[in-house]
Amino acid sequence: EVQLVESGGGLVQPGGSLRLTCATSGFTFSNDWISWLRQAPGKGLEWVANIKPDGTDKYYVDSVRGRFTISRDNAKNSLYLDMSSLRAEDTAFYYCAISRDHSFDYWGQGTLVTVSS
Amino acid sequence: QSALTQPASVSGSPGQSITISCTGTSSDVGGYNVVSWYQQYPGKAPKLLIYEVSKWPSGVSNRFSGSKSGDVASLTISGLQAEDEADYYCASYERSVTYVFGTGTRVTVL
Repeated sequence: EVQLVESGGGLVQPGGSLRLTCATSGFTFSNDWISWLRQAPGKGLEWVANIKPDGTDKYYVDSVRGRFTISRDNAKNSLYLDMSSLRAEDTAFYYCAISRDHSFDYWGQGTLVTVSS
Repeated sequence: QSALTQPASVSGSPGQSITISCTGTSSDVGGYNVVSWYQQYPGKAPKLLIYEVSKWPSGVSNRFSGSKSGDVASLTISGLQAEDEADYYCASYERSVTYVFGTGTRVTVL
């Protein structure tokens, strides 16, 4: 069974940093593109970033480029999102998802990041 | 990276068919045949319903169907059921391995 489990969310002050982790199982992690997506409470979905299977190529939505860094450890079947210079508008549920055929076919349950003083 | 445009809400009676539109531009929906659709219940993660405009992932009901004409993609739900009451989102490949989602549509079963 494919499983993705996000962790690391919490309350952080504006300008602060946080690292999210996505632990995976049930598929060959090193073969797949993986994405981070987010959803502000009561709002729509937004793709945030993705990373190539070997970790060499990474892409970001304009609003987080330069502040967020996506990475992966294929030996640990884990994906990460390092977030810095956090803003109130980054407050959201953050999901990791497997990206296949330019779609997002398995999602985790999400972890909530709240940026507030 | 502007969001694709969806109607805020669509409603229908049980057994009816409804269609949700997803309007983009030639830089996203119109430029690539990689539109996908997602269903989301409150408090839950989204679920993939359709990929590459009209393909079904394993286990998804064929009551959900997708199509595209120019810059507009559509999701049709046939034989509407109470369990179809949820939020629906489209998404499209945009450029350079980036993606954009639609604004979302709340489906209500009357």
